[in-house]
Amino acid sequence: EIVMTQSPATLSVSPGERATLSCRASQSVSSNLAWYQKKPGQAPRLLIYGASTRATGIPARFSGSGSGTEFTLTISSLQSEDFAVYYCQHYINWPLTFGGGTKVEIK
Amino acid sequence: QLQLQESGPGLVKPSETLSLTCTVSGDSISSNIYFWGWIRQPPGKGLEWIGSLYYSGSTYYNPSLKSRATISVDTSTNQFSLKLSSVTAADTAVYYCASQTYSGGWARWFDPWGQGTLVTVSS
Repeated sequence: EIVMTQSPATLSVSPGERATLSCRASQSVSSNLAWYQKKPGQAPRLLIYGASTRATGIPARFSGSGSGTEFTLTISSLQSEDFAVYYCQHYINWPLTFGGGTKVEIK
Repeated sequence: QLQLQESGPGLVKPSETLSLTCTVSGDSISSNIYFWGWIRQPPGKGLEWIGSLYYSGSTYYNPSLKSRATISVDTSTNQFSLKLSSVTAADTAVYYCASQTYSGGWARWFDPWGQGTLVTVSS
């Protein structure tokens, strides 16, 4: 099983600032990585797939990078609606696994 | 536009079987471009993949559930289902169904998701 580790667990950021979230895989997943945004009471929302491709309707301020074992989700200028928990997930093989999440909170 | 909706009891007794159904609209569940999955989120915790199914019946499960999970499809109703046996309080969670894009011979990311349904395990 591939273990996905996200850091930091909590990120305190002021609106308008940049947020950088990390996701590390215990073995290479190539570019088979997705990022999701999760808000309380809502379903997860796909942000990024293929490590760097924005899903339909996702604003350009969200960008993903990386391959192999190290990945980054960057939110270039945080808006109020971006404060949420973010999860990475690999899909290179079974079982699929998610990272533990990074909570982006208002500083 | 593909949409998914979970349904089922919100309360299950310990040692019993949790049963949920996901109704798919907007496309056929027999489409060869999707896998269909279940994911859960216990209160205050992260997301956990439970299992995924292809319309042909191929299924894949999270080994951590130790064979308690069964996912099946009903093409006549455009639904797929989850059964989780011998539940305990640790199975209390919001359960989501979701579709997975199937391309290049592989099941990929989850999108879209259902709204989720809270299942509480308690006597």
